[in-house]
Amino acid sequence: GQNIDQPTEMTATEGAIVQINCTYQTSGFNGLFWYQQHAGEAPTFLSYNVLDGLEEKGRFSSFLSRSKGYSYLLLKELQMKDSASYLCAVKHNDMRFGAGTRLTVKP
Amino acid sequence: NAGVTQTPKFQVLKTGQSMTLQCAQDMNHEYMSWYRQDPGMGLRLIHYSVGAGITDQGEVPNGYNVSRSTTEDFPLRLLSAAPSQTSVYFCASSGGQGSWTLHFGNGTRLTVT
Repeated sequence: GQNIDQPTEMTATEGAIVQINCTYQTSGFNGLFWYQQHAGEAPTFLSYNVLDGLEEKGRFSSFLSRSKGYSYLLLKELQMKDSASYLCAVKHNDMRFGAGTRLTVKP
Repeated sequence: NAGVTQTPKFQVLKTGQSMTLQCAQDMNHEYMSWYRQDPGMGLRLIHYSVGAGITDQGEVPNGYNVSRSTTEDFPLRLLSAAPSQTSVYFCASSGGQGSWTLHFGNGTRLTVT
């Protein structure tokens, strides 16, 4: 079976740093993806890890530890527009998603 | 380049009616998939296809059929709609073979009364 867990909700302050964790137990693994989804919109791709370590893309970074079944998304210099849901997904034969973390950025 | 196009954007059905949600992509992607999204449950995979003529079931396939007669199109059929199928449906595609980033359509909001 497959199980992908992430916190339901998080709140952070504009300008701060926030880390969104994702743990997974899957029958196979070909990569871990992070997507951003604003309310009422489709998900959009943020970051991707297939090997252990940190991937940095501007204000966003994602980390993967395959041995621990663990990933996190790090958002720096938070802006109000970062208020959205963040979806962790694991690729094996298909792509399975966690339930998503709703991030609220406050002034 | 339109990307992934879903139609319709909104649909209301009565229990027992049938309908087809359309999905088309113009990126020559091999992999296509359908998800439903319900509050608090994230995206759940209904069916997916790794290429024309090939389909497979995801997490929640019951009540839905798919076909993949061309690379571009991947329609989702509801044979006999039920209120439990009220949801937002997303179609997504990716290039496959190492290019697994999903490109999503804008979604179809379906209400079954």
